[in-house]
Amino acid sequence: DTGVSQDPRHKITKRGQNVTFRCDPISEHNRLYWYRQTLGQGPEFLTYFQNEAQLEKSRLLSDRFSAERPKGSFSTLEIQRTEQGDSAMYLCASSTRTSGSYEQYFGPGTRLTVT
Amino acid sequence: GESVGLHLPTLSVQEGDNSIINCAYSNSASDYFIWYKQESGKGPQFIIDIRSNMDKRQGQRVTVLLNKTVKHLSLQIAATQPGDSAVYFCAENGGGGSQGNLIFGKGTKLSVKP
Repeated sequence: DTGVSQDPRHKITKRGQNVTFRCDPISEHNRLYWYRQTLGQGPEFLTYFQNEAQLEKSRLLSDRFSAERPKGSFSTLEIQRTEQGDSAMYLCASSTRTSGSYEQYFGPGTRLTVT
Repeated sequence: GESVGLHLPTLSVQEGDNSIINCAYSNSASDYFIWYKQESGKGPQFIIDIRSNMDKRQGQRVTVLLNKTVKHLSLQIAATQPGDSAVYFCAENGGGGSQGNLIFGKGTKLSVKP
């Protein structure tokens, strides 16, 4: 257990529905990342926050995706009008800026299945 | 775009043997590399990292080697144990002003035979 928690762990939804996932990072970490991982692939970066500011977004993050970190602590990732191609594991990671290190601590992920 | 890749998708070793997992990267601007282990149903777990100003770094039972000339990274696991069975990913930071998001390869599945 890295100390990063995600909720829910599994989500099954019908195409067209909206879903929201939550991530609670390690408390002293000011950086929070969202990644998406499909079967047999490595995680792909989606977006990144430093405190409450969303500093970087991948081109993978379509307009249907939105992420927030309102108080610089927990974060939410919302997917609107879900599509079958959104089925994946959504991973959250957190880190703190230390000299020379980009080490990120990952949560267990939320597995999304869109039917 | 540039990305990190793996030479072998699967690796099977006998318990007690040493394992070597390879990774090729293509972004010459990357200056930080990291290995993660991912067990089924879990998020990636940090193993070891290395900066581009080093060519070798050792941890507990693990060693990472970096060859910048050929853009190659390897993870060596000594005395492999059944608990080492997992998928291993290398990742790079992409350099060039990246804020720390990691670029992952596709992974190598390590199976340890008792």
